[in-house]
Amino acid sequence: ETGVTQTPRHLVMGMTNKKSLKCEQHLGHNAMYWYKQSAKKPLELMFVYSLEERVENNSVPSRFSPECPNSSHLFLHLHTLQPEDSALYLCASSQTGESSYEQYFGPGTRLTVT
Amino acid sequence: QKEVEQNSGPLSVPEGAIASLNCTYSDRGSQSFFWYRQYSGKSPELIMSIYSNGDKEDGRFTAQLNKASQYVSLLIRDSQPSDSATYLCAVSNFNKFYFGSGTKLNVKP
Repeated sequence: ETGVTQTPRHLVMGMTNKKSLKCEQHLGHNAMYWYKQSAKKPLELMFVYSLEERVENNSVPSRFSPECPNSSHLFLHLHTLQPEDSALYLCASSQTGESSYEQYFGPGTRLTVT
Repeated sequence: QKEVEQNSGPLSVPEGAIASLNCTYSDRGSQSFFWYRQYSGKSPELIMSIYSNGDKEDGRFTAQLNKASQYVSLLIRDSQPSDSATYLCAVSNFNKFYFGSGTKLNVKP
């Protein structure tokens, strides 16, 4: 778990709050990802950053706003969330090049929206 | 059609038996294939990756890939109760990464 860290591990927020999730990778990778995992659903890819540029945005509502200031750090800014946004939010990193490499996940942030 | 299909299970096997987990995918351009293990309440942990047709063995785990059939499998030999988890199949085509819903495995002592 120390390769990719996430904070906080648990978060409870109201629908009018603003909060941020933080992810840091210590693996020297050049790509970072945000996933959402809801109960009994497959992992949903939200955002992909490669070389600090956003290369994927899978129709995620604007109440989720990612930020990647450098190749080691990734943030997910949250505002005016809905109860259905309650889920496990996972950060992952990988090294990409001519072919895809393995993704390594952080421990996740368990988010509850009240 | 889902990008990656897995039987949700649960798959129950006795301790010491071989557990066989299967996965099919739809994107013929997929280049990389992965198996992740996820314990309840934890994040996915990479256990195997495979990039070319055939078998790849790592300890008690063997991954098998057949690109013509768009089929990936994971065999777990000498299954242990600690192998009880949900196993996620993942398929990648450059930066596009697709996960299956996972197969829940129960290994009974």
